[in-house]
Amino acid sequence: ETGVTQSPTHLIKTRGQQVTLRCSSQSGHNTVSWYQQALGQGPQFIFQYYREEENGRGNFPPRFSGLQFPNYSSELNVNALELDDSALYLCASPGTPNTGELFFGEGSRLTVL
Amino acid sequence: AQRVTQPEKLLSVFKGAPVELKCNYSYSGSPELFWYVQYSRQRLQLLLRHISRESIKGFTADLNKGETSFHLKKPFAQEEDSAMYYCALSAYNFNKFYFGSGTKLNVKP
Repeated sequence: ETGVTQSPTHLIKTRGQQVTLRCSSQSGHNTVSWYQQALGQGPQFIFQYYREEENGRGNFPPRFSGLQFPNYSSELNVNALELDDSALYLCASPGTPNTGELFFGEGSRLTVL
Repeated sequence: AQRVTQPEKLLSVFKGAPVELKCNYSYSGSPELFWYVQYSRQRLQLLLRHISRESIKGFTADLNKGETSFHLKKPFAQEEDSAMYYCALSAYNFNKFYFGSGTKLNVKP
């Protein structure tokens, strides 16, 4: 059990709407990263948060934003949804320090109509 | 630019046959390489990492810097090895991972 929990598991939105996805880690890690996994593709890095500050970002536009809270839970917000935003969104927390191991949540599957 | 390539989307083998899942990468620095696996109805999880030079569930992977490859191998495949396998690359500080598009391994009885 990795202790990384994501919600909601599934949701449907329409183009132009906004969505908030949530992630929590039972171990209370101060680092969390978000990935987008489109159908048939591997996870693609969106950004990472460390101690409530963005600490690295992938090739995603500013309408993808995040928050990390003092209790180390995290949110991914996507504004002005586009059809191509339909994907599985994964949250990950590190395992043993300096090993590179990531513990993933089960993901939130977003469908944009 | 950083890139991880897994040329095979699907690999089907019979139980007991050898398996090799290919992974090639491009990276300007010294990468850390990993294999992640996703079994049916389970979450993505680490299988092995090159820095620990370990064998997990009979799988091994050797980093070949000359060929920029990190192929995953197992001498005798088992049905329970059927899963999606993702090769991944990270910088030394592990703050960003690049994943390949994955190879689905199907081990037939």
